[in-house]
Amino acid sequence: EVQLLESGGGLVQPGGSLRLSCEASGFSVGSSAMSWVRQAPGKGLEWVSGFTTSTAGTYYADAVQGRFTISRDTSKNNLHLQMNSLRVEDTAVYFCAKGGGGGFASWGQGTLVTVAS
Amino acid sequence: DIQMTQSPSSLSASVGDRVTITCRASQSIASYLNWYQQKPGKAPKLLIYAVSSLQSGVPSRFRGSGSGPDFSLTINSLQPEDFATYYCQQSYSTPWTFGQGTKVEI
Repeated sequence: EVQLLESGGGLVQPGGSLRLSCEASGFSVGSSAMSWVRQAPGKGLEWVSGFTTSTAGTYYADAVQGRFTISRDTSKNNLHLQMNSLRVEDTAVYFCAKGGGGGFASWGQGTLVTVAS
Repeated sequence: DIQMTQSPSSLSASVGDRVTITCRASQSIASYLNWYQQKPGKAPKLLIYAVSSLQSGVPSRFRGSGSGPDFSLTINSLQPEDFATYYCQQSYSTPWTFGQGTKVEI
């Protein structure tokens, strides 16, 4: 069974940094398309960043390009999102999701990131 | 970026109704169109992928159809557990984009 468990969210001041993690089980993150998707309070879904395939590059939404970095640790079967220079508008629940061109078939429960002073 | 425009943004329906939600892509996305259901406080759930393929475990009352640029999600015989927000999403090219959502209410 595929399971995804996010962690690392919290309250951070504008300009600060946070690192999100997604612990995966039931499959290998190293051979799967993976993404981070966020949802601001009361708003819709926004794709943030992802790997399209096991050998392809990394991709980012314009809103986070240059500030966020996605990575994966195949030894621990984890996905990470390093978030720097955080802004108030980055406040959201961040979901880890498995899948790519065929849609996101599996999701974690989400972790809340609040950027506020 | 490819823009996905859903309509309506919300609708009221009753148990047993048939409802249809539409999604328009701003440019060609071939058949890379997916639909999700999200309930309050929960992660989204994939219902339909590649326009009309039903995700495993999803009831057959959910049906996806269409071809570029217009796609639709139809729910036949609406059930109490179907009251939720629905999103379309294109997975043709990055940045992968979602529609703004359609809230189905009683």
